[in-house]
Amino acid sequence: NAGVTQTPKFQVLKTGQSMTLQCAQDMNHEYMSWYRQDPGMGLRLIHYSVGAGITDQGEVPNGYNVSRSTTEDFPLRLLSAAPSQTSVYFCASSYFLGQGDTEAFFGQGTRLTVV
Amino acid sequence: AQKVTQAQTEISVVEKEDVTLDCVYETRDTTYYLFWYKQPPSGELVFLIRRNSFDEQNEISGRYSWNFQKSTSSFNFTITASQVVDSAVYFCALRGDSGGYQKVTFGTGTKLQVIP
Repeated sequence: NAGVTQTPKFQVLKTGQSMTLQCAQDMNHEYMSWYRQDPGMGLRLIHYSVGAGITDQGEVPNGYNVSRSTTEDFPLRLLSAAPSQTSVYFCASSYFLGQGDTEAFFGQGTRLTVV
Repeated sequence: AQKVTQAQTEISVVEKEDVTLDCVYETRDTTYYLFWYKQPPSGELVFLIRRNSFDEQNEISGRYSWNFQKSTSSFNFTITASQVVDSAVYFCALRGDSGGYQKVTFGTGTKLQVIP
């Protein structure tokens, strides 16, 4: 049982390049989310999904796309990377514990630098 | 809109001292959940506790304890007899149930340094 797996762990991109951050979970969780962590800002929600085929925007969605074709995978796409997207990205998954309660599990994070 | 405020940016204590990390939240939801996470220097996020808005009982887990007070919208975290391994950034987070969304709002974190 691997939990939440993010790849890659580190990535350097040039401005304008595109890439996909991968996130996979093997816990059959309904909910998956992407956050970015910037110094002094805490974690901010980028996009989230409440199930396969359903995604929605979070607090800072601009410049990112997501899709959820399976329960297990929730990739995050940067279409044209910008230096402002330099950050640490965390993927999370969660499930109901009855009465709407959830327990969240986070991946190890991806440190992205855009030069 | 919901908001989490962790006013303490950095705290330094000497090992074995007690330390309290403050968390104040804002939400219009009547049902909501509060969380604490620990982020050690290695960078991963470690879940510590979840509390729902209907349960104001304080909780103790070893050297960790949490004080939830709805009257002051606070969910403070105390570490008793701190240890060097407690050095980390601690995040308080809030999830409300409005609109059926599952959005978690994080505070900006408190960096705790425990000096041996």
